[in-house]
Amino acid sequence: NAGVMQNPRHLVRRRGQEARLRCSPMKGHSHVYWYRQLPEEGLKFMVYLQKENIIDESGMPKERFSAEFPKEGPSILRIQQVVRGDSAAYFCASSDSPYQETQYFGPGTRLLVL
Amino acid sequence: AQTVTQSQPEMSVQEAETVTLSCTYDTSESDYYLFWYKQPPSRQMILVIRQEAYKQQNATENRFSVNFQKAAKSFSLKISDSQLGDAAMYFCAYRSAMDNYGQNFVFGPGTRLSVLP
Repeated sequence: NAGVMQNPRHLVRRRGQEARLRCSPMKGHSHVYWYRQLPEEGLKFMVYLQKENIIDESGMPKERFSAEFPKEGPSILRIQQVVRGDSAAYFCASSDSPYQETQYFGPGTRLLVL
Repeated sequence: AQTVTQSQPEMSVQEAETVTLSCTYDTSESDYYLFWYKQPPSRQMILVIRQEAYKQQNATENRFSVNFQKAAKSFSLKISDSQLGDAAMYFCAYRSAMDNYGQNFVFGPGTRLSVLP
């Protein structure tokens, strides 16, 4: 059973460009969580999605950031008009139910904004 | 809101020795889960151990064990017989077990553990 997959593993963007980060949850998991890790800091929750629904986006910046988890395909975290402060590691986690206490993390995507 | 504190930014231990990493948290809830995650240089987040708050018995996974003190809101991780591969950032995390839908994790700032040969 493959774990949580994220791609790309590394992404370089210039200021003003768009960044798209993909997350494929573990097989059988329909709940996806996105976290951001700034350098030398812990992970901070951004958004929780279930298939075709955003359940909790309380940690998501109000502008430029959006997330989706379509019926088919991976979850996408989209950052429009990136700025240098968006440089971070973005982790995706998944679970098979909202009540499962453990979330399984992907390897992360390192975004560098030049 | 829940908070997680790790007061030791860095720790070091001699190979084969034992080290304890500290974690305290603040919550008004009575039912929750606590976790320790390891993040090696590859930056993959790896679950080390978890504890259910309603269980008094401390969780153990091979060389890793916790000291869970619910009244003190303390959740320390003990690593016995430390190995070079244990060197990593260690994050303590809290997750509510309330009926709220899909509770996210609250992470501490991390402790960087070095293992000296």
